Amino acid sequence: GIQVEQSPPDLILQEGANSTLRCNFSDSVNNLQWFHQNPWGQLINLFYIPSGTKQNGRLSATTVATERYSLLYISSSQTTDSGVYFCAGGPVNYGGATNKLIFGTGTLLAVQP
Amino acid sequence: EAGVTQSPTHLIKTRGQQATLRCSPISGHTSVYWYQQALGLGLQFLLWYDEGEERNRGNFPPRFSGRQFPNYSSELNVNALELEDSALYLCASSSGLYRLSNQPQHFGDGTRLSIL
Repeated sequence: GIQVEQSPPDLILQEGANSTLRCNFSDSVNNLQWFHQNPWGQLINLFYIPSGTKQNGRLSATTVATERYSLLYISSSQTTDSGVYFCAGGPVNYGGATNKLIFGTGTLLAVQP
Repeated sequence: EAGVTQSPTHLIKTRGQQATLRCSPISGHTSVYWYQQALGLGLQFLLWYDEGEERNRGNFPPRFSGRQFPNYSSELNVNALELEDSALYLCASSSGLYRLSNQPQHFGDGTRLSIL
């Protein structure tokens, strides 16, 4: 099955710093999504980004589908950015319809004041 | 627009009992997915329902089962509970199988199941 590798596994930042999180897939995926899981376990959609670049405030993401990787950029980090960041993708089948998501192991981010 | 809603928030059971978890998808979504997040095991796909049928299943034993109702809400049932079933169970929904384009999955807040 598809393997999803995320790096770095842990990251400690000072408030205001920038960071880049990476997600590598062992095979082509569709439905690539980035999530933020807060300390209460809520999984929050950040981006749906099968390809290209998107921006939302201080966050942006880029997916290079042909090279099977995606990047999440966090600029001017805040303490509320702390938590675990997951990327996930779906196997390419069913003619492009939605299917299961395979998650990476996550990046644990701690932003210190 | 209401998001994906799950109930109960917390559930405490003992070994051998049965647990029932419930999920209501976003209005207009016909696909419902269940995921398990156990400590140290990450987020793992459990089940996918669309239009009332089970479409795909993860690598879990048969005592994990579920169903989808005509209003597209879903139940996850776990029989003969074991200690290792303690986990956060997340439900997600999306537009369904027969849509022409891929659609993102949207997650509920989860049910935290604890087995004593």
